[in-house]
Amino acid sequence: EAGVVQSPRYKIIEKKQPVAFWCNPISGHNTLYWYLQNLGQGPELLIRYENEEAVDDSQLPKDRFSAERLKGVDSTLKIQPAELGDSAVYLCASSPDSISRTDTQYFGPGTRLTVL
Amino acid sequence: AQSVAQPEDQVNVAEGNPLTVKCTYSVSGNPYLFWYVQYPNRGLQFLLKYITGDNLVKGSYGFEAEFNKSQTSFHLKKPSALVSDSALYFCAVRESYNTDKLIFGTGTRLQVFP
Repeated sequence: EAGVVQSPRYKIIEKKQPVAFWCNPISGHNTLYWYLQNLGQGPELLIRYENEEAVDDSQLPKDRFSAERLKGVDSTLKIQPAELGDSAVYLCASSPDSISRTDTQYFGPGTRLTVL
Repeated sequence: AQSVAQPEDQVNVAEGNPLTVKCTYSVSGNPYLFWYVQYPNRGLQFLLKYITGDNLVKGSYGFEAEFNKSQTSFHLKKPSALVSDSALYFCAVRESYNTDKLIFGTGTRLQVFP
Protein backbone atom coordinates (compact mmCIF):
# COMPACT_ATOMS: atom_id res chain seq x y z
CA GLU A 1 0.00 0.00 0.00
CA ALA A 2 1.36 3.39 -0.98
CA GLY A 3 2.05 5.84 1.79
CA VAL A 4 1.39 9.55 1.90
CA VAL A 5 2.85 11.19 -1.18
CA GLN A 6 4.15 14.74 -1.22
CA SER A 7 5.68 16.87 -3.92
CA PRO A 8 7.97 18.51 -4.49
CA ARG A 9 10.48 17.14 -2.01
CA TYR A 10 12.56 20.29 -2.13
CA LYS A 11 11.78 23.84 -3.18
CA ILE A 12 13.97 26.92 -3.26
CA ILE A 13 12.37 30.27 -3.98
CA GLU A 14 13.06 33.92 -3.47
CA LYS A 15 11.10 35.87 -0.90
CA LYS A 16 7.81 37.36 -2.03
CA GLN A 17 7.34 34.55 -4.56
CA PRO A 18 4.39 32.16 -4.33
CA VAL A 19 4.85 28.45 -3.66
CA ALA A 20 2.55 25.45 -3.52
CA PHE A 21 2.88 22.00 -2.00
CA TRP A 22 0.85 18.96 -2.94
CA CYS A 23 -0.18 15.98 -0.86
CA ASN A 24 -1.96 12.73 -1.70
CA PRO A 25 -3.02 10.82 1.41
CA ILE A 26 -3.22 7.09 1.89
CA SER A 27 -6.15 5.68 -0.02
CA GLY A 28 -9.31 5.64 2.07
CA HIS A 29 -8.05 8.07 4.67
CA ASN A 30 -10.65 10.74 5.27
CA THR A 31 -8.58 12.97 7.51
CA LEU A 32 -5.67 14.99 6.20
CA TYR A 33 -3.28 17.20 8.15
CA TRP A 34 -0.67 19.78 7.21
CA TYR A 35 2.13 20.33 9.70
CA LEU A 36 5.01 22.79 9.82
CA GLN A 37 8.34 21.60 11.16
CA ASN A 38 11.02 24.15 11.92
CA LEU A 39 14.60 23.05 12.26
CA GLY A 40 15.21 21.33 15.57
CA GLN A 41 11.55 21.36 16.52
CA GLY A 42 8.63 18.99 16.51
CA PRO A 43 5.90 19.42 13.90
CA GLU A 44 3.08 21.88 14.57
CA LEU A 45 -0.36 21.54 13.06
CA LEU A 46 -1.39 24.11 10.47
CA ILE A 47 -4.70 22.72 9.29
CA ARG A 48 -6.82 19.58 9.47
CA TYR A 49 -9.38 18.37 6.94
CA GLU A 50 -12.24 15.97 7.37
CA ASN A 51 -12.93 14.99 3.77
CA GLU A 52 -13.13 18.34 1.99
CA GLU A 53 -13.95 20.41 5.08
CA ALA A 54 -11.27 22.32 6.99
CA VAL A 55 -12.28 21.58 10.60
CA ASP A 56 -9.28 23.10 12.35
CA ASP A 57 -7.34 25.92 10.72
CA SER A 58 -6.74 27.97 13.84
CA GLN A 59 -2.95 27.77 13.45
CA LEU A 60 -2.87 28.65 9.75
CA PRO A 61 -1.56 32.19 9.08
CA LYS A 62 -4.38 33.18 6.83
CA ASP A 63 -2.85 36.38 5.56
CA ARG A 64 -0.40 34.44 3.40
CA PHE A 65 -1.26 30.75 3.72
CA SER A 66 -4.14 28.95 2.09
CA ALA A 67 -5.10 25.33 1.62
CA GLU A 68 -7.68 23.34 -0.24
CA ARG A 69 -8.92 19.80 -0.53
CA LEU A 70 -11.59 20.18 -3.14
CA LYS A 71 -12.59 16.57 -3.74
CA GLY A 72 -11.73 15.28 -0.31
CA VAL A 73 -8.68 13.40 -1.53
CA ASP A 74 -5.49 15.26 -2.39
CA SER A 75 -4.67 18.66 -0.99
CA THR A 76 -2.63 21.73 -1.81
CA LEU A 77 -1.02 24.15 0.61
CA LYS A 78 -0.03 27.54 -0.76
CA ILE A 79 2.04 30.42 0.51
CA GLN A 80 1.77 33.80 -1.15
CA PRO A 81 3.97 35.71 -0.74
CA ALA A 82 6.67 33.66 0.92
CA GLU A 83 8.85 35.20 3.63
CA LEU A 84 12.28 34.23 4.87
CA GLY A 85 10.77 32.82 8.06
CA ASP A 86 8.71 30.34 6.08
CA SER A 87 11.79 28.23 5.45
CA ALA A 88 10.92 24.89 7.04
CA VAL A 89 9.69 21.41 6.28
CA TYR A 90 6.01 21.08 5.45
CA LEU A 91 4.62 17.70 6.38
CA CYS A 92 1.38 16.12 5.29
CA ALA A 93 -0.25 13.33 7.27
CA SER A 94 -3.42 11.31 6.99
CA SER A 95 -5.49 9.06 9.20
CA PRO A 96 -8.52 6.89 8.52
CA ASP A 97 -10.95 8.78 10.72
CA SER A 98 -10.25 11.30 13.42
CA ILE A 99 -13.58 10.84 15.19
CA SER A 100 -12.25 7.99 17.29
CA ARG A 101 -9.28 10.17 18.26
CA THR A 102 -7.17 7.08 18.58
CA ASP A 103 -6.27 6.63 14.93
CA THR A 104 -2.64 6.82 13.98
CA GLN A 105 -1.50 9.63 11.73
CA TYR A 106 0.81 8.56 8.92
CA PHE A 107 3.23 11.12 7.57
CA GLY A 108 4.60 11.82 4.15
CA PRO A 109 8.29 12.59 3.50
CA GLY A 110 7.70 16.34 3.62
CA THR A 111 8.64 19.28 1.42
CA ARG A 112 11.70 21.22 2.48
CA LEU A 113 11.19 24.88 1.60
CA THR A 114 14.07 27.32 1.46
CA VAL A 115 13.23 31.00 1.00
CA LEU A 116 16.15 33.17 -0.09
CA ALA B 1 -3.05 22.64 27.81
CA GLN B 2 -1.67 19.33 26.68
CA SER B 3 2.09 19.08 26.40
CA VAL B 4 4.98 16.66 26.24
CA ALA B 5 8.56 17.15 27.30
CA GLN B 6 11.63 15.36 26.07
CA PRO B 7 14.28 16.36 28.57
CA GLU B 8 17.26 15.07 26.59
CA ASP B 9 18.35 16.69 23.34
CA GLN B 10 20.63 13.76 22.60
CA VAL B 11 21.14 10.24 23.86
CA ASN B 12 24.30 8.31 23.12
CA VAL B 13 24.47 4.55 23.50
CA ALA B 14 26.79 1.80 22.35
CA GLU B 15 25.48 -0.80 19.94
CA GLY B 16 24.10 -3.81 21.76
CA ASN B 17 23.32 -1.87 24.92
CA PRO B 18 19.78 -1.06 26.05
CA LEU B 19 18.45 2.38 25.20
CA THR B 20 15.89 4.67 26.79
CA VAL B 21 14.50 7.88 25.35
CA LYS B 22 12.51 9.82 27.91
CA CYS B 23 9.16 11.53 27.57
CA THR B 24 6.88 13.08 30.16
CA TYR B 25 3.43 14.43 29.49
CA SER B 26 0.86 16.80 30.90
CA VAL B 27 -2.78 16.26 29.98
CA SER B 28 -6.22 16.70 31.38
CA GLY B 29 -8.18 13.54 30.88
CA ASN B 30 -6.95 10.34 29.31
CA PRO B 31 -3.62 10.57 27.53
CA TYR B 32 -3.22 9.21 24.03
CA LEU B 33 0.54 8.95 23.52
CA PHE B 34 2.65 8.25 20.46
CA TRP B 35 6.25 7.77 19.46
CA TYR B 36 7.53 8.63 16.01
CA VAL B 37 11.01 8.34 14.48
CA GLN B 38 12.45 10.62 11.82
CA TYR B 39 15.41 9.67 9.66
CA PRO B 40 17.33 12.37 7.76
CA ASN B 41 15.33 13.94 4.93
CA ARG B 42 12.37 11.71 5.62
CA GLY B 43 9.00 12.13 7.22
CA LEU B 44 7.96 10.80 10.57
CA GLN B 45 7.44 7.07 10.91
CA PHE B 46 5.02 5.71 13.46
CA LEU B 47 6.58 3.44 16.09
CA LEU B 48 3.89 2.78 18.68
CA LYS B 49 1.04 4.27 20.66
CA TYR B 50 -0.66 4.00 24.02
CA ILE B 51 -4.40 4.36 24.13
CA THR B 52 -5.49 2.19 27.03
CA GLY B 53 -4.78 -1.19 28.55
CA ASP B 54 -1.38 -2.75 29.14
CA ASN B 55 1.20 -0.25 30.32
CA LEU B 56 3.92 -1.87 28.21
CA VAL B 57 3.35 -1.17 24.55
CA LYS B 58 5.28 -3.01 21.86
CA GLY B 59 5.93 -1.37 18.53
CA SER B 60 7.92 -1.53 15.35
CA TYR B 61 11.61 -2.45 14.98
CA GLY B 62 11.82 -3.97 18.47
CA PHE B 63 10.89 -0.78 20.30
CA GLU B 64 8.60 -0.69 23.28
CA ALA B 65 7.36 2.01 25.61
CA GLU B 66 6.23 1.97 29.20
CA PHE B 67 3.29 4.09 30.27
CA ASN B 68 3.56 5.23 33.89
CA LYS B 69 0.54 7.18 35.05
CA SER B 70 1.92 8.12 38.47
CA GLN B 71 5.08 9.57 36.94
CA THR B 72 3.27 10.89 33.85
CA SER B 73 5.93 9.31 31.67
CA PHE B 74 6.02 7.35 28.46
CA HIS B 75 9.65 6.36 27.93
CA LEU B 76 10.75 4.61 24.75
CA LYS B 77 12.98 1.59 25.19
CA LYS B 78 14.83 -1.06 23.26
CA PRO B 79 16.75 -3.95 24.83
CA SER B 80 19.62 -3.90 22.33
CA ALA B 81 20.42 -0.84 20.24
CA LEU B 82 21.50 -0.97 16.60
CA VAL B 83 23.55 1.59 14.72
CA SER B 84 20.62 1.88 12.32
CA ASP B 85 18.44 3.12 15.20
CA SER B 86 20.32 6.42 15.08
CA ALA B 87 17.67 9.01 14.28
CA LEU B 88 15.47 11.74 15.75
CA TYR B 89 12.70 10.52 18.03
CA PHE B 90 9.53 12.43 18.83
CA CYS B 91 7.05 11.84 21.57
CA ALA B 92 3.55 13.19 20.99
CA VAL B 93 0.26 13.46 22.81
CA ARG B 94 -3.10 13.67 21.15
CA GLU B 95 -5.70 15.88 22.68
CA SER B 96 -8.57 13.80 23.99
CA TYR B 97 -10.99 16.63 23.52
CA ASN B 98 -11.31 19.79 21.46
CA THR B 99 -9.07 19.00 18.49
CA ASP B 100 -7.31 15.92 17.22
CA LYS B 101 -3.96 17.49 16.58
CA LEU B 102 -0.77 15.91 17.83
CA ILE B 103 1.33 17.94 20.25
CA PHE B 104 4.94 16.98 19.69
CA GLY B 105 7.94 17.23 21.93
CA THR B 106 11.11 18.90 20.71
CA GLY B 107 12.70 15.61 19.80
CA THR B 108 15.63 13.56 21.05
CA ARG B 109 18.49 12.63 18.79
CA LEU B 110 19.62 9.08 19.38
CA GLN B 111 23.17 8.26 18.41
CA VAL B 112 24.19 4.60 18.54
CA PHE B 113 27.93 4.02 18.30
CA PRO B 114 29.38 0.79 16.89
